[in-house]
Amino acid sequence: EVQVVESGGGLIQPGGSLRLSCAASGFTVSTNYMTWVRQAPGKGLEWVSVIYGGGGTYYADSVKGRFTISRDNSKNTLYLQMNSLRAEDTAVYYCARGEAGGGHDAYDIWGQGTMVTVSS
Amino acid sequence: QSALTQPASVSGSPGQSITISCTGTSSDVGGYNYVSWYQQHPGKAPKLMIYDVTNRPSGVSNRFSASKSGNTASLTISGLQAEDEADYYCTSYTSSSTLAFGGGTRLTVL
Repeated sequence: EVQVVESGGGLIQPGGSLRLSCAASGFTVSTNYMTWVRQAPGKGLEWVSVIYGGGGTYYADSVKGRFTISRDNSKNTLYLQMNSLRAEDTAVYYCARGEAGGGHDAYDIWGQGTMVTVSS
Repeated sequence: QSALTQPASVSGSPGQSITISCTGTSSDVGGYNYVSWYQQHPGKAPKLMIYDVTNRPSGVSNRFSASKSGNTASLTISGLQAEDEADYYCTSYTSSSTLAFGGGTRLTVL
């Protein structure tokens, strides 16, 4: 079955760090573009970051310089390293796979999300 | 990075058709044919409904269709059904190599 499963969320104090993981199965992370999208409680979806098959990475202005997207091909896993966390980073974080049929910046496989709460 | 503009809510009766708009700029919606639409039920992950402006992934009902004109994209749902009640989001690739989301539209089936 093609799926992604996020983990690593939790309660963290402002200024702290957290690393989210997204384990993929049924497809290869390194040959697909992958993204992180977040959703604050009761709010809409917000794009966070993308990593393309060739390794290029891009970030939303709100997280640039604080978050780093990466992947471990041997573990077929996507990561999001989050540093200098702020209260406004509190959200459910989803990882998703780029549409496998050639679609551009569209995501067809989503995980269930992992909750990150930044609070003292 | 500005969000794309969607109506906060739309509604329709079963069997009717509704259209949700998504307005951006020439730097996103108007500049690329890379608009997608997602459906999200409460407490669930988003589901891809349309990609590259008009393409439906396999398994998505043909009651869902989409188009684009200038800086505005549109999603149309025909033959409205109770299970279509959800939040809908548009996205577009941008000239900054980022992804812009719309603010979301709550669809209510009356």
